[in-house]
Amino acid sequence: DTGVSQNPRHKITKRGQNVTFRCDPISEHNRLYWYRQTLGQGPEFLTYFQNEAQLEKSRLLSDRFSAERPKGSFSTLEIQRTEQGDSAMYLCASGKSSGTDTQYFGPGTRLTVL
Amino acid sequence: AQSVTQLGSHVSVSEGALVLLRCNYSSSVPPYLFWYVQYPNQGLQLLLKYTSAATLVKGINGFEAEFKKSETSFHLTKPSAHMSDAAEYFCAVSGTGANSKLTFGKGITLSVRP
Repeated sequence: DTGVSQNPRHKITKRGQNVTFRCDPISEHNRLYWYRQTLGQGPEFLTYFQNEAQLEKSRLLSDRFSAERPKGSFSTLEIQRTEQGDSAMYLCASGKSSGTDTQYFGPGTRLTVL
Repeated sequence: AQSVTQLGSHVSVSEGALVLLRCNYSSSVPPYLFWYVQYPNQGLQLLLKYTSAATLVKGINGFEAEFKKSETSFHLTKPSAHMSDAAEYFCAVSGTGANSKLTFGKGITLSVRP
């Protein structure tokens, strides 16, 4: 068990550029979640997958955001035409659909949009 | 709909003193409840969870929490604070099954004075 990993850890981009983040979950976990955390706030749910199916998306997830989990393993979160308001920590978590639904978090990707 | 209220944004205690961090929740279904800790520039680490078994839950690093349905509370306590406990603490609620997304409170920063 190597834990949840996220890449890159930090990303600085200019407004209007596209960015993509990657999350690798714990290997036996079939659920994968994305959250966004801004300074001084708790994480907010964005979306989650069970295997390769995207089961829920938050209304926070505008059409500039898209997430995929093509083979039910790693996931990518893409933000198109970034805005300064997208600056945040993007957290990934994984868990199992059986049992007590505990989610284990990765270290996050900190996005800064200039 | 589910929500979490963490009153106050900052708690300061002396080393060796009791730690009490408050959490109240709202949920239309029997909830799962969690406390996570976040150290600077890191992801979230699970401290403990309530999943409808014992109402007094013991977690890592000497923390525990008690689920009180009548008060809709899940307060976190530790008998004796250590300097290493200084961090941000988040209470979260989720449903079960497909409704597994976490809804977080705003978090409480714990400072420990020598």
